[in-house]
Amino acid sequence: QQQVKQSPQSLIVQKGGISIINCAYENTAFDYFPWYQQFPGKGPALLIAIRPDVSEKKEGRFTISFNKSAKQFSLHIMDSQPGDSATYFCAAKRSGNTPLVFGKGTRLSVIA
Amino acid sequence: DAGVIQSPRHEVTEMGQEVTLRCKPISGHNSLFWYRQTMMRGLELLIYFNNNVPIDDSGMPEDRFSAKMPNASFSTLKIQPSEPRDSAVYFCASSLYAGGRSYEQYFGPGTRLTVT
Repeated sequence: QQQVKQSPQSLIVQKGGISIINCAYENTAFDYFPWYQQFPGKGPALLIAIRPDVSEKKEGRFTISFNKSAKQFSLHIMDSQPGDSATYFCAAKRSGNTPLVFGKGTRLSVIA
Repeated sequence: DAGVIQSPRHEVTEMGQEVTLRCKPISGHNSLFWYRQTMMRGLELLIYFNNNVPIDDSGMPEDRFSAKMPNASFSTLKIQPSEPRDSAVYFCASSLYAGGRSYEQYFGPGTRLTVT
C-alpha cells in the first residue's frame, strides 16, 4: 500500500512558467512533509518542508501548499528555470525518530 | 563540512557474489537510514538505526540482506548472495534526533549496484 501518492510522474514546463506537483497521503499521524530535489547521479536534497500547523510555506521561487482536511500537499515552482530540471519527491513522516515515506517522484523538465 | 560518504560509488558484480556497501554518516548525527531506489518502486526504506541500534528492519527484502552499525561513524549493508533483481541505487542518509525532535535527513551520493 502506497502511503504517499505523487502526481504527475513527469512534467514538461516552459521556462518562466509554473510547475505544480501534487501529493496525497492517508496516514493522519504524519506531521512533517518535505520535498526533495534530486539531480542525476546525486542523492536527494531537501528543498522545502512544511508542518500541518500552516497552510503555506514559501522559500524563494518554491512554495508548499498544504490542505490538512483533504490530506494533500503540493509544490509550486514559480518562474521555472532549466536548472530546475530534476526529479522531485514528496515525503511524509510521523513525529519522533521515524523514517521518511516517499512518493514515487516527478521528473520535471523545464524547456527554453 | 563533509556530508554523508558512501563507497563504492559504483559496483558491478556477478550473481551469487557478496556485496558490501559502506556509509559514513555526518559527524554528530545519531540516526542512519539505508534506502534503495529503483524505477519501479521508487525510494524505499530498508533499515534504520538510532545510536547504532537497529530500530526497524522491516524493509529489508530477505535474509540475503544484512546491515550493521558497529559505531557512530560507520555502517555497512551486505548482500549475500547477490541477485540481478538487487540492481538499484542504494542511499545512506543520516540525521540528528535529539530532545524528541527529528532533524533534516541528509543523503549520501548513493552506490549504484549492478548485478549481472
